[in-house]
Amino acid sequence: DTAVSQTPKYLVTQMGNDKSIKCEQNLGHDTMYWYKQDSKKFLKIMFSYNNKELIINETVPNRFSPKSPDKAHLNLHINSLELGDSAVYFCASTGEDGGRRQFFGPGTRLTVL
Amino acid sequence: RKEVEQDPGPFNVPEGATVAFNCTYSNSASQSFFWYRQDCRKEPKLLMSVYSSGNEDGRFTAQLNRASQYISLLIRDSKLSDSATYLCVVGDTGRRALTFGSGTRLQVQP
Repeated sequence: DTAVSQTPKYLVTQMGNDKSIKCEQNLGHDTMYWYKQDSKKFLKIMFSYNNKELIINETVPNRFSPKSPDKAHLNLHINSLELGDSAVYFCASTGEDGGRRQFFGPGTRLTVL
Repeated sequence: RKEVEQDPGPFNVPEGATVAFNCTYSNSASQSFFWYRQDCRKEPKLLMSVYSSGNEDGRFTAQLNRASQYISLLIRDSKLSDSATYLCVVGDTGRRALTFGSGTRLQVQP
């Protein structure tokens, strides 16, 4: 059973399109995250939700909007995709006091053409 | 200055070698410390937590020096399967967040 799952695994799209990435965790965790890993492999936090409430919102363009319908799901919607959005996006979750061990999904490799 | 700094490598070592990675962090209020491992095109996975008293897990030993804000990882008797990127990670429980270093790449050669 996959603990943290993401769909799709690969996403290739044209500039200007709108796309969504979905994340689900079956660990019963309260806190979920979105990270972006760029071509230089630097993993940077974008957003964090705790029990459906946004608790971390890093300096991310407004084109990125997270949505958490319930504490097991955290989706990421991206409007007007740009070339610079090409990266691997990882979802993660933790059931501990945040700032402790996180479990990562397999990643979504987004390529904007 | 980056919050978590690591030497990017790559470290190319022969099988059986001992290799050490170092990391420094800037936030003195950090409360938890980890080493994660990331294989090519995969997600990061926890390798081990790091404690001030030092801790060992098989061939892996991690050390934390809070005064110097320095974290280390020692790998003994390197295996080919140890080839990966090792991420130094610092946690802030107040902010409920982890901050990742950019990783040190290890390539173990036959």
